[in-house]
This record gives sequence, C-alpha cells and structure tokens, in this order.
Amino acid sequence: GENVEQHPSTLSVQEGDSAVIKCTYSDSASNYFPWYKQELGKRPQLIIDIRSNVGEKKDQRIAVTLNKTAKHFSLHITETQPEDSAVYFCAASMRSGGGADGLTFGKGTHLIIQP
Amino acid sequence: DAGVIQSPRHEVTEMGQEVTLRCKPISGHDYLFWYRQTMMRGLELLIYFNNNVPIDDSGMPEDRFSAKMPNASFSTLKIQPSEPRDSAVYFCASSRGRRGRNIQYFGAGTRLSVL
Repeated sequence: GENVEQHPSTLSVQEGDSAVIKCTYSDSASNYFPWYKQELGKRPQLIIDIRSNVGEKKDQRIAVTLNKTAKHFSLHITETQPEDSAVYFCAASMRSGGGADGLTFGKGTHLIIQP
Repeated sequence: DAGVIQSPRHEVTEMGQEVTLRCKPISGHDYLFWYRQTMMRGLELLIYFNNNVPIDDSGMPEDRFSAKMPNASFSTLKIQPSEPRDSAVYFCASSRGRRGRNIQYFGAGTRLSVL
C-alpha cells in the first residue's frame, strides 16, 4: 500500500518568515495530494490540494509543488502569521475512473509561529 | 449545509463494552470514510464506502470493528468488545467523488476513551 513520509515533525519560524514542509510518497499510482490543517482539538480542514497533472498550485500565501519523478511534494507558507500555528498533514490517494479513494496521511508537522 | 455530523462527541466506556459511533455525511456526497487518529499512529483510514457499499476495509484493525452504511445519510462504526487500545479520536469524512476532486470534509470527531 501507499506510504507517506513527512518532515519535519516540528517547525518553528519567526512571524513573517516562510515555512516549508516536505512529503514523499511510495506509490507511483497516487495522483491526488491534499494538505490539511488541524488546530488543537479540531477537525482536519483542507487548505490546498494538487493533482498529478499539475506541478504547482498557489492560493494567496500558500503554495504546493509536486515532483512526480521524485515522488515528493511540498507545502510553502509565506509571510507566516500567528494563526498559521497548527499541525499540518500531507496526504496521498489514487483516484481511478473519476472516483475517490481513502487518504494515506503523513505523520504531521507541528508548525509554531514565534511572535 | 451543516457539514459532516458525528455523534457522540465524547464517549467514555469500560473495557468489554460495545461502542457505536455515528456519522451523517454531507447531503449529495457519495463517499464516506472512517479514520482513526492517535498520537502513535497518526491518522489512519479504517474503511470507506461508495454509494453505501464498503469498498476497502483493509484498515479495520480487528474483527472487533465493524461498519455499516444502511442508507446514504447514515453510517455507524461499532467496536465490540472495546479495549483500552481503541482509545482514539474517530473521524468520519465524506466527499463527492464523481466529477469532484475527492475533497474530503471531516466531521468534528468522536473522542473515545476506553477505561
């Protein structure tokens, strides 16, 4: 089955700096890669996603890049703010025939924004 | 839409008791997923349904776990008998796979404590 590795497990950055979280996946058939943000005691919420036919996607301060050859993808957050503090999860899944599939998650990155 | 609704929010039970977790997916979504979150193992997929039919239950840890989806608006995850190692947060998620991006929307979760 799919295996997703995520690094680092904890990331501390100064407010206003950029943060980068990296993930690798094992199954070359995976073609959908979402990122979820989870605040303490809350549900995971999608912040951005990318499909395998796209190399990069951006949404305001958040961007995701995908390298299919190397089987890795990254989350970039620029101009970090205190409200960005949370645990971030990368995930991978395979969508065959237009349907859905369960997500395989990385272990998470605890992002701490220092004031 | 009210989103994915899970009940109860918290469940405390004693070892050996039967536990039933409930989920109402977002109306119109044809996929429903059950995940479990622990500190040690992170977020794990247990089982998922498409149009009320179980598609992949390979993540169900043991025969003590069972899940059903009798109709498009209701699913249950049952643990019988429960054990302390089942203590975790159980999330239900739903998505519209067809013509969608497999964006999975999570419920608020059920925090299960087995004493």
